[in-house]
Amino acid sequence: EAGVAQSPRYKIIEKRQSVAFWCNPISGHATLYWYQQILGQGPKLLIQFQNNGVVDDSQLPKDRFSAERLKGVDSTLKIQPAKLEDSAVYLCASSFAIGDEQYFGPGTRLTVT
Amino acid sequence: EDQVTQSPEALRLQEGESSSLNCSYTVSGLRGLFWYRQDPGKGPEFLFTLYSAGEEKEKERLKATLTKKESFLHITAPKPEDSATYLCAVTSLYKLSFGAGTTVTVRA
Repeated sequence: EAGVAQSPRYKIIEKRQSVAFWCNPISGHATLYWYQQILGQGPKLLIQFQNNGVVDDSQLPKDRFSAERLKGVDSTLKIQPAKLEDSAVYLCASSFAIGDEQYFGPGTRLTVT
Repeated sequence: EDQVTQSPEALRLQEGESSSLNCSYTVSGLRGLFWYRQDPGKGPEFLFTLYSAGEEKEKERLKATLTKKESFLHITAPKPEDSATYLCAVTSLYKLSFGAGTTVTVRA
């Protein structure tokens, strides 16, 4: 079974530029999550989708971050404009249903200079 | 708000030296406690889910246990390939809250 796919794996941008990340979850998983992981910390949930609807986006900085999950499968996370403090690894995860164990992709390491 | 505290932050072990990692949590209505392993440059890898106090799960040299306030991950006779960061997470209604992790280094 194929795992969660993410691209790109690495991205370096200057502050105030924009960036987008892509995620393809495990087939059949209805729930998709985006996390931000800063070095030395655990992942922090940014947004959670159930099919193509948002379940929780309470920790998403909505003035600069946006996410969508069209057709309830793939998802994109966008940052515009980026700040230095956005440097982190962005992880995508999926689960069969809410509350089930989550399976993570390899992450995208973002460096903002 | 759900809170998860892991200790110690780092653990250095000699190969074969058994030890335990601690995860203490505060959550309103625990639905599940999860343990993940994370290797450098990779996403977390699912290990166990525990649902109720007294429950235990085992996988190779790892054993996870759960009480009403904390969980332990026991590593028995570790090998260098067990070196990783171990993350604990809890879920109440639907949201997963992670601890900062314990980085385990096993020396041959």
